[in-house]
Amino acid sequence: DTGVSQDPRHKITKRGQNVTFRCDPISEHNRLYWYRQTLGQGPEFLTYFQNEAQLEKSRLLSDRFSAERPKGSFSTLEIQRTEQGDSAMYLCASSGEGRANVLTFGAGSRLTVL
Amino acid sequence: SQQGEEDPQALSIQEGENATMNCSYKTSINNLQWYRQNSGRGLVHLILIRSNEREKHSGRLRVTLDTSKKSSSLLITASRAADTASYFCATDALSREKLTFGTGTRLTIIP
Repeated sequence: DTGVSQDPRHKITKRGQNVTFRCDPISEHNRLYWYRQTLGQGPEFLTYFQNEAQLEKSRLLSDRFSAERPKGSFSTLEIQRTEQGDSAMYLCASSGEGRANVLTFGAGSRLTVL
Repeated sequence: SQQGEEDPQALSIQEGENATMNCSYKTSINNLQWYRQNSGRGLVHLILIRSNEREKHSGRLRVTLDTSKKSSSLLITASRAADTASYFCATDALSREKLTFGTGTRLTIIP
């Protein structure tokens, strides 16, 4: 499979619990992005990595959110002490050098916080 | 925050008709892209137009860009039921790596 993979596809959790999402980008892509999308809205930028370096973080990314890309390959997005407002689709995308930021998206991880 | 606004928010047309959706954005850009999203799925890249281009074609897609008005349009000709999806424009502001997406147009093709 040469696409972007996200796991899990669906996660239902209780308020206050921690959740972690994983993204496996296309192997030759050095840039990896996390976006959040709520119903009826466009994706909102959360954070971006070039290789293992986290180069930009949105103000949307509160201190309860942390993202890592330890070896410049897969990435994880952790949300601590989840709140109902965190319910959304979390989208991962990757892009390669010289591709003018054309993003290849995964299918997303849908989070429901009860 | 959303950089772009798509217009209309929702559009329903008969199969075979042409669909036009518009996007307006706020800052100077390097390029503008259009993506499609089927319900509950990830986004798929459709077409990219650079800031020094005015029009671009790809199959049944035609994109225009007017940087003086900070606006773009996406035309889908001879629509098919499979074109039913949400369509988003996305821009990268100068010297920025991230893409900022608009609010989307939800297109429904009626068979």
